[in-house]
Amino acid sequence: DTAVSQTPKYLVTQMGNDKSIKCEQNLGHDTMYWYKQDSKKFLKIMFSYNNKELIINETVPNRFSPKSPDKAHLNLHINSLELGDSAVYFCASSHNANTEAFFGQGTRLTVV
Amino acid sequence: GENVEQHPSTLSVQEGDSAVIKCTYSDSASNYFPWYKQELGKGPQLIIDIRSNVGEKKDQRIAVTLNKTAKHFSLHITETQPEDSAVYFCAAPPRNSGYALNFGKGTSLLVTP
Repeated sequence: DTAVSQTPKYLVTQMGNDKSIKCEQNLGHDTMYWYKQDSKKFLKIMFSYNNKELIINETVPNRFSPKSPDKAHLNLHINSLELGDSAVYFCASSHNANTEAFFGQGTRLTVV
Repeated sequence: GENVEQHPSTLSVQEGDSAVIKCTYSDSASNYFPWYKQELGKGPQLIIDIRSNVGEKKDQRIAVTLNKTAKHFSLHITETQPEDSAVYFCAAPPRNSGYALNFGKGTSLLVTP
């Protein structure tokens, strides 16, 4: 069984489009995250949710909107996609920040 | 937020040699320091972590040391193998929140046969 699964794995889309990435975890964790990894491999936290409530919202454009329908899901919706949004987006989950975080396999977003 | 500095950015060693990656952090209140390994095309995976109440932790060929006074922690890999080639990240939770990790910029380790 996959612990943290995100879909799609690859996403190629045109500038200006709106797209969503889905994430689900079956580990029973309370906390879920979205990280962005740029072309230089730098991993940066975007959002953190604990028990469906937003805990961290880093300096991310408001075109990015996370949605947590329940503790096991944290989806990422992106409006008006820009070239600079091209990156690999990772979903992760953990009991809290002081325990192991389990990452999904990533979604490689390419905006053309 | 927590500032985590990681060095070196790239490291090349011969199979069988040791590899050491170092990180420093800024928040003296930080108490959890994990190391993640990311293989090509995959998400990061925890390989070892250490909490602030111990100075060293070992798991087979991997060890982590922590110096709280100097605010730095290091990853040591002994008897390196080609399958150790990957990007390694250190991390620490930020001061104002316990709900996420700030990652170092990563070290690309290459182990040559």
